[in-house]
Amino acid sequence: DVVMTQSPLSLPVTLGQPASISCRSSQSLVHSDGNTYLNWFQQRPGQSPRRLIYKVSNRDSGVPDRFSGSGSGTDFTLKISRVEAEDVGVYYCMQGTHWPFTFGPGTKVDIK
Amino acid sequence: EVQLVESGGGLVQPGGSLRLSCAASGFTFSSYWMSWVRQAPGKGLEWVANIKQDGSEKYYVDSVKGRFTISRDNAKNSLYLQMNSLRAEDTAVYYCARELWLRDWGQGTLVTVSS
Repeated sequence: DVVMTQSPLSLPVTLGQPASISCRSSQSLVHSDGNTYLNWFQQRPGQSPRRLIYKVSNRDSGVPDRFSGSGSGTDFTLKISRVEAEDVGVYYCMQGTHWPFTFGPGTKVDIK
Repeated sequence: EVQLVESGGGLVQPGGSLRLSCAASGFTFSSYWMSWVRQAPGKGLEWVANIKQDGSEKYYVDSVKGRFTISRDNAKNSLYLQMNSLRAEDTAVYYCARELWLRDWGQGTLVTVSS
């Protein structure tokens, strides 16, 4: 199975400041169809997860443009340009290229 | 508006069975892969199973193979997860989600396996 790792696992941030989460996979996430199925999810406290980013860098509808995704192959990054209070929660990366699909352990973002 | 509403969770003894349901609305259910994902209390997310639009392809995480069965009824806009031989480690909130890559999620239903 593809192992997904994230760093850091805990990220205290200052409101208005940028934040960055790294996600690495144990093997390349480039699918045979040429796409890279790396997605990012946000789970606010007490809520269901919500997808933010699909295929590395595509924002889902309704996701603020302060969220951006980048990367390729095995190394990926989620960036928040200016953290707001509503961004508190746990962020997961997930690979959908290789069966079984696997998630990273999650990065907990909170306010300093 | 896409809505996914799970039901069927509850307390069950080890070795027992449960059938989860997910009622879908707000989109053409028969056009999408559907998925189940679970989250043990205080833990991260774990993908459980996927099913193709017509039910012809199904995929499972190894830990549930042979015990869980994913199915769907496109006429009823419903997704199911039949869970047999339940273990304590299956205790989790179970979410249904639209698409292979989990575009939309339900609110989840809690399954507790305990004697």
